[in-house]
Amino acid sequence: NAGVTQTPKFQVLKTGQSMTLQCAQDMNHEYMSWYRQDPGMGLRLIHYSVGAGITDQGEVPNGYNVSRSTTEDFPLRLLSAAPSQTSVYFCASTQRRGGTEAFFGQGTRLTVV
Amino acid sequence: SQQGEEDPQALSIQEGENATMNCSYKTSINNLQWYRQNSGRGLVHLILIRSNEREKHSGRLRVTLDTSKKSSSLLITASRAADTASYFCATDADGNQFYFGTGTSLTVIP
Repeated sequence: NAGVTQTPKFQVLKTGQSMTLQCAQDMNHEYMSWYRQDPGMGLRLIHYSVGAGITDQGEVPNGYNVSRSTTEDFPLRLLSAAPSQTSVYFCASTQRRGGTEAFFGQGTRLTVV
Repeated sequence: SQQGEEDPQALSIQEGENATMNCSYKTSINNLQWYRQNSGRGLVHLILIRSNEREKHSGRLRVTLDTSKKSSSLLITASRAADTASYFCATDADGNQFYFGTGTSLTVIP
């Protein structure tokens, strides 16, 4: 099993550009989430999904959209990139809501110039 | 923010010594988890402790939880150079959202 796969690993965007970060898991997990990691801030939850067709906002959702059309995929869209969105983004999945470990992808390092 | 705080922010020890890091959080929780992150990599789950548990062991790891003080500690015994990483606690209050602390950077000197 590949676990949680994120693409791309690195990306440079210009301010105002849009892009989609891809996340796929092959463990049939119900719950998927996106975090951003900034120096000294730990990980902060952007959006999460408890199943196909269901998404909700986390702690820092502004500037990001998500959708969950299948159990496997949970893409994160940056609508109009800003320098404040320069960060490392992690996708994670858990078997179900609450009480289980999260499996993380390897991260996408995004720089907005 | 509902993030927890790890203490210390950075810790440097000799190989073979024990490493202790602490986590404090703000709200009532269902469970608390500890994760390790090697430089430039994703997080890896280490151990989960539920709110009705006070102590849990896994190999060289020992985790305690004090819900009255809203705090947890992670002890790594007989540390190895390969334990060099950042360690994060994550709290689960409602089954939907994990709240991560700011992390402790551990360096184990061979």
